[in-house]
This record gives sequence, C-alpha cells and structure tokens, in this order.
Amino acid sequence: AQTVTQSQPEMSVQEAETVTLSCTYDTSESDYYLFWYKQPPSRQMILVIRQEAYKQQNATENRFSVNFQKAAKSFSLKISDSQLGDAAMYFCAYRSAGSGGSNYKLTFGKGTLLTVNP
Amino acid sequence: GAVVSQHPSWVICKSGTSVKIECRSLDFQATTMFWYRQFPKQSLMLMATSNEGSKATYEQGVEKDKFLINHASLTLSTLTVTSAHPEDSSFYICSASAVSGVFDTQYFGPGTRLTVL
Repeated sequence: AQTVTQSQPEMSVQEAETVTLSCTYDTSESDYYLFWYKQPPSRQMILVIRQEAYKQQNATENRFSVNFQKAAKSFSLKISDSQLGDAAMYFCAYRSAGSGGSNYKLTFGKGTLLTVNP
Repeated sequence: GAVVSQHPSWVICKSGTSVKIECRSLDFQATTMFWYRQFPKQSLMLMATSNEGSKATYEQGVEKDKFLINHASLTLSTLTVTSAHPEDSSFYICSASAVSGVFDTQYFGPGTRLTVL
C-alpha cells in the first residue's frame, strides 16, 4: 500500500516571502500522480497543483511550483510571494495511474498547517 | 471548473436517527465518487468509493451497514448514516472524478458537518 508523509505539522512564513512544504511517499508503482490540495478555514478542498510521475519537468502554477524527485520519492511544494490568502492546511496526495473505480482514490498525507504573517 | 455540491452543509440529529447527505456534480458526469471523513485538525480518511450503478467499495474498518452509499446517477451519490450515534459526529466530504482528456481530477464538495446529540 502507498503511504504519504508530511513531516511538518506546521509552518509559518512572512507575507511576500517563499516557503517550501515537504512531502515524501512510498510506492512500488512506476507510474502515478501526485497532488497538492489546499484546505482553507472554509474546509473546501482546492487543487493547487498536480504532477504526473512520468514527466521529468516540475509542474508550475503561477506562484506555486513543485520539486519532484522521483528517485528520492519526494514531492515538495514551493509557494513564492506568499499572500495572506495562502494560509491554509496543505495536503499532499498520491494516486495510482491505473484507470477506473478505486484506482482513482487518493491517499493523503496528514497535512501541514501554513500560517502567513503580515 | 468542475463544481461539486453537498447538501446539507450542516445537520444536527438525535441519536438513533438516520441522516442522508447528498453529493452532486453540477456541470459534469462522474462515474466515480468518493466519500471521506475528517476529524478536526486531521487528514481526510477515505470511507468508500462509489461507482454509478454498482455497489460501493468500502475501506477496511468502515461499516457498510452503517454508512449506506447509493450512486443512482452520473451526477448524484448519497451517504446515509443509519442509527447515528455521537461518535459519528464528524465532517463528511465527497469528491467526484472528472475526466479531461487522458487525465482525471478529483473535485471536492464543500463538506457536511454532522452533529449527533
């Protein structure tokens, strides 16, 4: 079974600064997908960024980028120019690449609570 | 983007009663939906995978007779908590898979807070 580990229960960053959230995972599969989801106080889960394991290029979405190290099974999230609205719980998640039904299910890490200080 | 709704957003019920939570994909069809449970300051725990027209697949340790899941159409899945007890109080979140090209993405509902008195 796959596992996802987020070793930082809490992180804080100054507004406009950069912060990196860590995530490692364990799997025996060669093809899979990785995600970062954000859960603000409203508790609505929001997809931040996704990475296909077969792609060597790191995914980027505006101020959010990842550092995907497949051999090390590491998938960190970098938030640049942090904004107050970035304050939330961030979850790293893993999904198998197989299609259909339960193959779509996500395995989540325990989350990192990010605080943004003005 | 794809939108998933849940109803109700919060519900309070008496111990022993049953509660139904609806999950709808508003602008796309979802052959697969998922139900999660989340305790305060914890991660999401997958309860079951719901496939349209077939029986749900429950995760280990989840009582299928207590948490009844029905996925009657491509846009609606329901979770019924039967004979609810205070320990069932939690935040329940659904998600639906939307396929775009060769990739699918899970979109989450806003969640339902259940309080059992």
